[in-house]
Amino acid sequence: AQSVTQLGSHVSVSEGALVLLRCNYSSSVPPYLFWYVQYPNQGLQLLLKYTTGATLVKGINGFEAEFKKSETSFHLTKPSAHMSDAAEYFCAVSETGGFKTIFGAGTRLFVKA
Amino acid sequence: EAGVVQSPRYKIIEKKQPVAFWCNPISGHNTLYWYLQNLGQGPELLIRYENEEAVDDSQLPKDRFSAERLKGVDSTLKIQPAELGDSAVYLCASSSSDRPYYEQYFGPGTRLTVT
Repeated sequence: AQSVTQLGSHVSVSEGALVLLRCNYSSSVPPYLFWYVQYPNQGLQLLLKYTTGATLVKGINGFEAEFKKSETSFHLTKPSAHMSDAAEYFCAVSETGGFKTIFGAGTRLFVKA
Repeated sequence: EAGVVQSPRYKIIEKKQPVAFWCNPISGHNTLYWYLQNLGQGPELLIRYENEEAVDDSQLPKDRFSAERLKGVDSTLKIQPAELGDSAVYLCASSSSDRPYYEQYFGPGTRLTVT
């Protein structure tokens, strides 16, 4: 069965600092991996996805994530945090070719001025 | 391209009352999902439709929840009767099998409060 673990329900960084949000997954088949962002009172928006090919994936708003099969990880990073990055971030996994997507519990990112 | 539309955005009802949520997916998206999102948690799938057919409703509490997608376009999710524990955000999402990797597009959700 698939599962997703996001380490840290809350992460706080200063503006301009590195953002690192951790995600580990479990899947019995090659996974598709996603990061979504959710702003208050809004739905989820896709930041980036890994399917096949290059393991370093770039997304919107300067975010990127690296698929590491040996570590079963898909951590999200951004070199320099901006106040507008404050939101809830969800890591998700689905099986190759499948529709069922499992979401992590989310990590709330706080950005301090 | 218009996004996924949901209504109402907010709903407050008393327990034991019925409630219904409506979702209109992105035009041309044949797959529609209803998710439940509890406070501080990620979305959990309630039901998935392929066109008008419910292909995965294993997580839908069928004693009180029902859903329909009669013409394979918009969808309604109903709760009858509502319980206090149903207070949550109900998200609708859609995707197209024509697009690779089935990325999902989410609506803004309906926040339900049961008092």
